[in-house]
Amino acid sequence: DAGVTQSPTHLIKTRGQQVTLRCSPKSGHDTVSWYQQALGQGPQFIFQYYEEEERQRGNFPDRFSGHQFPNYSSELNVNALLLGDSALYLCASSLPQGGGNGYTFGSGTRLTVV
Amino acid sequence: AQSVTQLDSQVPVFEEAPVELRCNYSSSVSVYLFWYVQYPNQGLQLLLKYLSGSTLVKGINGFEAEFNKSQTSFHLRKPSVHISDTAEYFCAVIKAAGNKLTFGGGTRVLVKP
Repeated sequence: DAGVTQSPTHLIKTRGQQVTLRCSPKSGHDTVSWYQQALGQGPQFIFQYYEEEERQRGNFPDRFSGHQFPNYSSELNVNALLLGDSALYLCASSLPQGGGNGYTFGSGTRLTVV
Repeated sequence: AQSVTQLDSQVPVFEEAPVELRCNYSSSVSVYLFWYVQYPNQGLQLLLKYLSGSTLVKGINGFEAEFNKSQTSFHLRKPSVHISDTAEYFCAVIKAAGNKLTFGGGTRVLVKP
């Protein structure tokens, strides 16, 4: 049973560029959440997708956008990259009720903006 | 809104000694509580969770945690640590009907031989 798969594992981008990160949820899960983890900090919630719609959003600017496909996989897009966007981006999948059902996390994409 | 405070940013401990990681939370509504572990260059792995019922929760790898509603705490313990327990540990909460996990800042555990 495959867990959450994220790609790529590492990425280096230049300030001002755009980036797309990808996530395939755990089998049986249809809800995908994205988190940003800056170095030395806990993960911060970016947004959650369910039924191809953004269901909830954290305190992140519009430069951060996402998409969910009919097969439940998801993309995170970041435009106009800033140095401060350098972080580990984690994808988590769950059943739609979320909450106590728990979240399964992927290994993350390490984004470095130079 | 919920918030989580992990009171220790780093905890050095000798192998086979006990360890306790402290977590306090704030919320105006009922929440579920979690502890996750993150090994170097990896994602988060669930150690244990508290939803309801017994306040003492047992998880994987010999870890346990105790929910204390009056003190709004959810401290994590292990009676005897191994070198392999060296990692970062995160406490997290979510509203009972919510979609967003709120994490603490993490506690880095360094197990020394």
